[in-house]
Amino acid sequence: NAGVTQTPKFQVLKTGQSMTLQCAQDMNHEYMSWYRQDPGMGLRLIHYSVGAGITDQGEVPNGYNVSRSTTEDFPLRLLSAAPSQTSVYFCASSYSNYRTGAFFGQGTRLTVV
Amino acid sequence: TQLLEQSPQFLSIQEGENLTVYCNSSSVFSSLQWYRQEPGEGPVLLVTVVTGGEVKKLKRLTFQFGDARKDSSLHITAAQPGDTGLYLCAGAGEGAGSYQLTFGKGTKLSVIP
Repeated sequence: NAGVTQTPKFQVLKTGQSMTLQCAQDMNHEYMSWYRQDPGMGLRLIHYSVGAGITDQGEVPNGYNVSRSTTEDFPLRLLSAAPSQTSVYFCASSYSNYRTGAFFGQGTRLTVV
Repeated sequence: TQLLEQSPQFLSIQEGENLTVYCNSSSVFSSLQWYRQEPGEGPVLLVTVVTGGEVKKLKRLTFQFGDARKDSSLHITAAQPGDTGLYLCAGAGEGAGSYQLTFGKGTKLSVIP
């Protein structure tokens, strides 16, 4: 099993460009989430999903969109990239809820110039 | 909003020393988890504690959940250079709060040979 797979691993964007960060899991997990990790700030929740067709906002959702059309995939869309979105992005998943813990992808390092 | 205060933020010790990392909150969590993260990688789950007062051991690592389920500690005995990394605590709320994880800001541990 591959677990949680994120692509790309690195990306450089110009201010105003849009892009989609991909996240796929092959563990049949219902719960999936996106976090960003910034120095001194820890991991902050952007959006999460509790199943296909169901998404909700986390702590820092502005500037990001998500959708969940299948159990396996949970893409994160940056609508108009800003330098403040320079960060490392992690996708996580769990089978039922996060009470038992989460599996994380390897991350996408995004730089917006 | 649930917050987790993790301390210390940085820790540099000699090989063979013992250390304790703390994770505190004013909120009650249904579970507390500890993750370890290597540079360029995603967090990896070490342990989950769910019962107040629970103690779990993983080789030289001892994890404890506070009686009131508001705090946790990670104790490492006889630290080794291989223990170097970023340690993160995370809490899952109760009920609908278990749909997401709240993270502490992390403890960056360096073990000097």
